[in-house]
Amino acid sequence: DAMVIQNPRYQVTQFGKPVTLSCSQTLNHNVMYWYQQKSSQAPKLLFHYYDKDFNNEADTPDNFQSRRPNTSFCFLDIRSPGLGDAAMYLCATSLGGYGQPQHFGDGTRLSIL
Amino acid sequence: GESVGLHLPTLSVQEGDNSIINCAYSNSASDYFIWYKQESGKGPQFIIDIRSNMDKRQGQRVTVLLNKTVKHLSLQIAATQPGDSAVYFCAEGDRSNAGNMLTFGGGTRLMVKP
Repeated sequence: DAMVIQNPRYQVTQFGKPVTLSCSQTLNHNVMYWYQQKSSQAPKLLFHYYDKDFNNEADTPDNFQSRRPNTSFCFLDIRSPGLGDAAMYLCATSLGGYGQPQHFGDGTRLSIL
Repeated sequence: GESVGLHLPTLSVQEGDNSIINCAYSNSASDYFIWYKQESGKGPQFIIDIRSNMDKRQGQRVTVLLNKTVKHLSLQIAATQPGDSAVYFCAEGDRSNAGNMLTFGGGTRLMVKP
């Protein structure tokens, strides 16, 4: 049973057209993460929510925003997608505190036309 | 900045043989390490983790070894099967990091030959 669910699995958008990716979890974890992963590369952390507290990575472009309306859901908004934003976007969750593994969804592959 | 890296980008093994995937880390403050398996088109899947107060931890067909002296981590897979073919990532974290953020290594592709 999927515990971290990402929708849609594939998303196509036009250059400059805002797009939203969604993530939901049934684990009741208090930390949720968004990663960007390009082909043959490791996942790169964009930001994370610890409960309601938003934590942005220093090198995450302003073009990327996130919302977490409740414990179960988290959204990634890309305000003006560029060609370089085509990638797999992964959502993950974990319990807060030291030494807890992150659990990943299967990602949304974003294509930019 | 600090980084986690891998020695071999691709490892090819015969079905039934044991596999060893290596990872070097540079952050001496790291005290939590984790291995993920990522199959094509899927998200990373947790395999096994280890804390720095341990040198070895075993799971089902997998063993993680941690050598803090040389900052080296390895994943051993016993009796490798075709279903083990995937990209394997090591990742590190530390206890000062309340958000459980992980730094990922570059990944090793494991190919299992029948």
